[in-house]
Amino acid sequence: DIQMTQSPSSLSASVGDRVTITCQASQDISNYLNWYQQKPGKAPKLLIYDASNLETGVPSRFSGSGSGTDFTFTISSLQPEDIATYYCQQYDNLPPRITFGGGTKVEIK
Amino acid sequence: QVQLVQSGAEVKKPGASVKVSCKASGYTFTSYYMHWVRQAPGQGLEWMGIINPSGGSTSYAQKFQGRVTMTRDTSTSTVYMELSSLRSEDTAVYYCARAGVCSGGSCLDYWGQGTLVTVSS
Repeated sequence: DIQMTQSPSSLSASVGDRVTITCQASQDISNYLNWYQQKPGKAPKLLIYDASNLETGVPSRFSGSGSGTDFTFTISSLQPEDIATYYCQQYDNLPPRITFGGGTKVEIK
Repeated sequence: QVQLVQSGAEVKKPGASVKVSCKASGYTFTSYYMHWVRQAPGQGLEWMGIINPSGGSTSYAQKFQGRVTMTRDTSTSTVYMELSSLRSEDTAVYYCARAGVCSGGSCLDYWGQGTLVTVSS
């Protein structure tokens, strides 16, 4: 099974700061990597799909990059409403299987 | 607009079964696979399995093989997830999520509101 190592597990940053989260796959997953935002008590929300594509309606301060085994998620200028936990997610298709990273809790300093 | 509406919270005793429903609207039900994901209190997201609403084929995470059954009813655009032999560790919020329009349908683009299942004696 492919393992996803997400780091850090938590971070604290100031409003306006650039925030970066990384996700490493245990083997090549091409660009089958997505990023979600989850606020307390809510369902996750898709932000980035296929490693670097911004989901419709998602603010442009969110971005993703990477391919193969190493991926990065960036918030270019942290806003108070970005306080949430962020998850990476990979997909295998033979057989169909999804694995989530452990999550990164983002807080305001 | 796409909506996934799940059934309400459940409280079950250890050893019992639970069946959670997820009613889809706003799109062609049989055109998109559906995933089930759960989240234990204070924990991360855990994938349980996937169902093809068109033919009904399924694929389950190894951890849940033998305990989970996913079905669908195309007449009501509803998918179901039944988990048996419940134990306290199954206490979690259970989500249905649609497999979206991305590479190989690998992203989950719409989610239900979640169903809390509590297992307690």
